[in-house]
Amino acid sequence: DGGITQSPKYLFRKEGQNVTLSCEQNLNHDAMYWYRQDPGQGLRLIYYSQIVNDFQKGDIAEGYSVSREKKESFPLTVTSAQKNPTAFYLCASSISTGVETQYFGPGTRLLVL
Amino acid sequence: GQNIDQPTEMTATEGAIVQINCTYQTSGFNGLFWYQQHAGEAPTFLSYNVLDGLEEKGRFSSFLSRSKGYSYLLLKELQMKDSASYLCAVRVAGGYQKVTFGTGTKLQVIP
Repeated sequence: DGGITQSPKYLFRKEGQNVTLSCEQNLNHDAMYWYRQDPGQGLRLIYYSQIVNDFQKGDIAEGYSVSREKKESFPLTVTSAQKNPTAFYLCASSISTGVETQYFGPGTRLLVL
Repeated sequence: GQNIDQPTEMTATEGAIVQINCTYQTSGFNGLFWYQQHAGEAPTFLSYNVLDGLEEKGRFSSFLSRSKGYSYLLLKELQMKDSASYLCAVRVAGGYQKVTFGTGTKLQVIP
């Protein structure tokens, strides 16, 4: 069954702590993306990767970091520098960053303790 | 930059037809997407328009007018399960073809 998985579904972060959100896809897609969704706002792009070992900052990259060591995996780390991390985080992938549609994972809801 | 406008909320009756509008201002337009998102879940792809006109897919249709910077999503024979947010998203041409999402329209279907 092809698809995108994200884990965990819910994640709690303590003050000053870094947390990592997992995103895995078995669709053989080259491009992967991380978005943040806040109530009343559209999805905002954090980082994207067009190919393995390459990634670029999106609109709101401050306080976040990513890696793309494998085609299937694009983990997102929310660092302590991100002062307002509470949000719904969505990972997506597409065949490339051309005209293809982005498909989304189920999301991770991050809450601050 | 890009600017996308959609109504915040709409209410419609089960069995009826509803039209959700989306207007956009952008340079280098290269396609418009509609996604459906149920509360707490991931967006799911509904439609893609890059040329003017109407694309029909079952109960859902999407229309685009590039000259007017306007699109709409038409939902027919509404069902209770259609209660969700509907996101309009615009792609711009370029080396990386960025997709910008609107804030979404929350549709409530009532009996």
